[in-house]
Amino acid sequence: QVTLKESGPGILQPSQTLSLTCSFSGFSLSTYGMCVGWIRQSSGKGLEWLANIWWNDDKYYNPSLKNRLTISKDTSNNQAFLKITNMDTADTATYYCARSGDYGGYWFAYWGQGTLVTVSS
Amino acid sequence: DIQMTQSPASLSASLGETVTIECLASEDIYSNLAWYQQKPGKSPQLLIYDASSLQDGVPSRFSGSESGTQYSLEINSLQSEDAATYFCQQHHDYLTFGSGTKLEIK
Repeated sequence: QVTLKESGPGILQPSQTLSLTCSFSGFSLSTYGMCVGWIRQSSGKGLEWLANIWWNDDKYYNPSLKNRLTISKDTSNNQAFLKITNMDTADTATYYCARSGDYGGYWFAYWGQGTLVTVSS
Repeated sequence: DIQMTQSPASLSASLGETVTIECLASEDIYSNLAWYQQKPGKSPQLLIYDASSLQDGVPSRFSGSESGTQYSLEINSLQSEDAATYFCQQHHDYLTFGSGTKLEIK
């Protein structure tokens, strides 16, 4: 059974760096074709893709946010990470991690429950 | 950047009816499209990938199709549990989501 769970600070101040962890089970991020991504959703709004990391450590970033994002993984501990620098109130959102389909692909077949991040002074 | 224009923003339909939600891509995305369902307070769930392939476990009343750069999600025989917001997502050039369609069941 594939599960993912995000964890983060909950609240942080403007200009700080957000560090998120995605802890997962039921698959290995070293398996050929596997991918974990991060997506966020502001309250009542749509979905915004942030970044993907693949089994071979290839990384893929939303070009509009690329300068602020760093995605990484710890395969041995079944975790993926996302850092976002220079956080602003506009970055307040629920942050999801999600996994690609069973045979890879650029869609997300499994999602975590999301973690709410509030940016406030 | 590829833009996904999703319509309608909201719709209301009765039990048993058929509804169609559409996403228009700003350029050819070569069937690289997925559809998701999101219920309030929940994470999105994958319904369709590669424009028309049904994800395992998704009821067959959900189907996807395409015509040029227009992609459609059809839901037949509406059930009460289909009340949700639906999103499309292209993955031909980076990944972008449509703005969502909120479906209400009368």
